[in-house]
Amino acid sequence: GAGVSQSPSNKVTEKGKDVELRCDPISGHTALYWYRQRLGQGLEFLIYFQGNSAPDKSGLPSDRFSAERTGESVSTLTIQRTQQEDSAVYLCASRLIPHPGNSPLHFGNGTRLTVT
Amino acid sequence: KNEVEQSPQNLTAQEGEFITINCSYSVGISALHWLQQHPGGGIVSLFMLSSGKKKHGRLIATINIQEKHSSLHITASHPRDSAVYICAVSNSGGSNYKLTFGKGTLLTVNP
Repeated sequence: GAGVSQSPSNKVTEKGKDVELRCDPISGHTALYWYRQRLGQGLEFLIYFQGNSAPDKSGLPSDRFSAERTGESVSTLTIQRTQQEDSAVYLCASRLIPHPGNSPLHFGNGTRLTVT
Repeated sequence: KNEVEQSPQNLTAQEGEFITINCSYSVGISALHWLQQHPGGGIVSLFMLSSGKKKHGRLIATINIQEKHSSLHITASHPRDSAVYICAVSNSGGSNYKLTFGKGTLLTVNP
């Protein structure tokens, strides 16, 4: 496969509903990141997975947010009881090697979430 | 104060002009990234550097570690270069997998 794949590309949901966003990283990429980008704002770190190590969840904004990753494959970001402030583009990125000096980030095209 | 500052925030140029976007950071880093984000959201990694200078086509990135400063240059700019350019740094130390992002520079190149 080509690059990082995210689905859905767009999601409109009603306030209070749960949503699940999916990221398929590039095959073999051990490191995976989720970021949030609100309209007109910079990228905000959410969570980081590296292989089978415990993820860094320090960026998750509340306990309504959770993410899972099985091994070095697909990751899902779940937002429960969505709020309007959750409206944003959710971006996934992967990299081959966790050491930042050795590999660039590869981003997906993001999921645009709109909470009405 | 953001750890990564970019300037200018917005830049408008005429086709063919030489463009410079600046990035200053306040923390120790292990690498600096320049990213390009087109309308619609897709982000592409342009450069990753920890010293010196890199060139790819019309794009040149430089970094001065002592001065904690990097520049992205675009020669012979073209309307298709219109995008948001984002500087990001990987901190040195234990959390070096994390990136700190600048707010981006919106570049518009007019024909």
